[in-house]
Amino acid sequence: GAVVSQHPSRVICKSGTSVKIECRSLDFQATTMFWYRQFPKKSLMLMATSNEGSKATYEQGVEKDKFLINHASLTLSTLTVTSAHPEDSSFYICSARVPTNTGELFFGEGSRLTVL
Amino acid sequence: AQSVTQLDSQVPVFEEAPVELRCNYSSSVSVYLFWYVQYPNQGLQLLLKYLSGSTLVESINGFEAEFNKSQTSFHLRKPSVHISDTAEYFCAVSQTGFQKLVFGTGTRLLVSP
Repeated sequence: GAVVSQHPSRVICKSGTSVKIECRSLDFQATTMFWYRQFPKKSLMLMATSNEGSKATYEQGVEKDKFLINHASLTLSTLTVTSAHPEDSSFYICSARVPTNTGELFFGEGSRLTVL
Repeated sequence: AQSVTQLDSQVPVFEEAPVELRCNYSSSVSVYLFWYVQYPNQGLQLLLKYLSGSTLVESINGFEAEFNKSQTSFHLRKPSVHISDTAEYFCAVSQTGFQKLVFGTGTRLLVSP
């Protein structure tokens, strides 16, 4: 299957700093990527839909200025958590849609953010 | 809008026993259904999917799920589980057309010797 890679897999930062997480589609071009947040022992919450070359579409309740999403190329989307606080600590997972008839989604390995 | 219900947060079973993980969905339109598996500190891996055609779909590692439109269910089954099947399993639904995936809350399958 298609490969989606996230980096970094783990990051620890101080409160007030910004953190960037990268999501790459390694062997296909992805016009659409999705960013999810997963709380401990909870389901995945869709944060936003990232569209190459245009603004991301955020889900209700997700702060656009807090979670900046950029999809500058067909293989890379980035999520920047700005002015991070401890409550932003979470597991962030991206996914990308394969441009085939089935449009299947493949997920990255996830990035665990810990804000001290 | 679609929603997914996984009533069992955790299912403990013994190795080589059969298991069923329940998934019910609600939607006013045609849907695609998926089961994903997540191992600790990893992303999600697609286990199997129903798009159309046969209502019984199978994965390469012995899992199967059956789409039941009248009961709006997509339960996951395996006749004999292994220790290595211990993981979190998520049921998900999307409208036909593959826009957003909506996930259930997950079921932790815990296989013990």
